[in-house]
Amino acid sequence: DQQVKQNSPSLSVQEGRISILNCDYTNSMFDYFLWYKKYPAEGPTFLISISSIKDKNEDGRFTVFLNKSAKHLSLHIVPSQPGDSAVYFCAASNADKLIFGTGTRLQVFP
Amino acid sequence: AAGVIQSPRHLIKEKRETATLKCYPIPRHDTVYWYQQGPGQDPQFLISFYEKMQSDKGSIPDRFSAQQFSDYHSELNMSSLELGDSALYFCASSSLEEETQYFGPGTRLLVL
Repeated sequence: DQQVKQNSPSLSVQEGRISILNCDYTNSMFDYFLWYKKYPAEGPTFLISISSIKDKNEDGRFTVFLNKSAKHLSLHIVPSQPGDSAVYFCAASNADKLIFGTGTRLQVFP
Repeated sequence: AAGVIQSPRHLIKEKRETATLKCYPIPRHDTVYWYQQGPGQDPQFLISFYEKMQSDKGSIPDRFSAQQFSDYHSELNMSSLELGDSALYFCASSSLEEETQYFGPGTRLLVL
């Protein structure tokens, strides 16, 4: 039973345009959400997080939006750069542990 | 800035052997987490420790055990290895002041 879902396994975006990665969750008890970026053979790198008391958090080119009623969050990257190409995982915090989504592979092409 | 350190980075073992993975958290982080990522899968939580005590437990097989030492480093001990244990094993650390977990580079375990 996948509590955190990323329904798009891949996304291709042109450099300079906006990348929107989506994530849905089922457990309304989750109170903290994170996005990680992962390259092959490396550990997940923390990007941005959001608490359930907020609906938006912004850090440079990265913005995370949270819609609690829809149990949906999204990561916006603008402008997208070729170096953003990686697998992106959303994760929800449940007590101590993180529950990860299945990941979305983002490809930013010139 | 110092990051989470994991050793070894790569490990090859045969079935029924044992393996020990080590994790050194970011300085002043008191909580350590272990995750397992199989091929093409998302990371799955195994176990966590706070102040040397087990704080939560996930889908960790009984053949695996872990502990956190007085210097906050942690070791994951894996016995009677099976082919299905081949995976990336990540360690993450966090502090009470910040919920964010920061991950190490992982240990790639291959069981032959």
